[in-house]
Amino acid sequence: NAGVTQTPKFQVLKTGQSMTLQCAQDMNHNSMYWYRQDPGMGLRLIYYSASEGTTDKGEVPNGYNVSRLNKREFSLRLESAAPSQTSVYFCASSEGGGTLVAFFGQGTRLTVV
Amino acid sequence: AQKITQTQPGMFVQEKEAVTLDCTYDTSDPSYGLFWYKQPSSGEMIFLIYQGSYDQQNATEGRYSLNFQKARKSANLVISASQLGDSAMYFCAMRVWPAGTALIFGKGTTLSVSS
Repeated sequence: NAGVTQTPKFQVLKTGQSMTLQCAQDMNHNSMYWYRQDPGMGLRLIYYSASEGTTDKGEVPNGYNVSRLNKREFSLRLESAAPSQTSVYFCASSEGGGTLVAFFGQGTRLTVV
Repeated sequence: AQKITQTQPGMFVQEKEAVTLDCTYDTSDPSYGLFWYKQPSSGEMIFLIYQGSYDQQNATEGRYSLNFQKARKSANLVISASQLGDSAMYFCAMRVWPAGTALIFGKGTTLSVSS
């Protein structure tokens, strides 16, 4: 009963370093998303993938890239981390139809120093 | 453009009392869905309740109900008989069809329940 699994849970990076956040879901969902959460800002969409093979920019895509590796996995890459990317990152998934309720991973707390 | 507004940064309530968390939304699309999520201090996002724009009745899930007023574009969450475990951040969110499938979130309301 894993649902949406994100790795790692915590990460500290130095400015300029790169890293990839991994996300996998076992609910056979078509759509997957990456959000970031900052204090007082709610959750803001970085990128999403409506179905396998497609990705689209969200509200705050600058500085990020994504890969929908297959139906299960959707990764988020920071090529050159900046302090402004210090945030909590959430991956989520939802079905392609119906109410489209999104189910979230546990989050990744990223600090860029 | 679609937007969700939550105007209450913080709310305080005593155990066993009811509380209403406000949410207004803005969209010109006729087909949309409204969601509420709970985020306890542990950080996970927990889905609470859903209301579709064509649903005739207000959604209910246990102690949670959604007061949907379409003309006013409001989707307030009502928690009846508050419990200490209800202390958390609450987010209102919206999804619009067919423009996209991603949820748009409000900034959240922190609810504190005291004994």
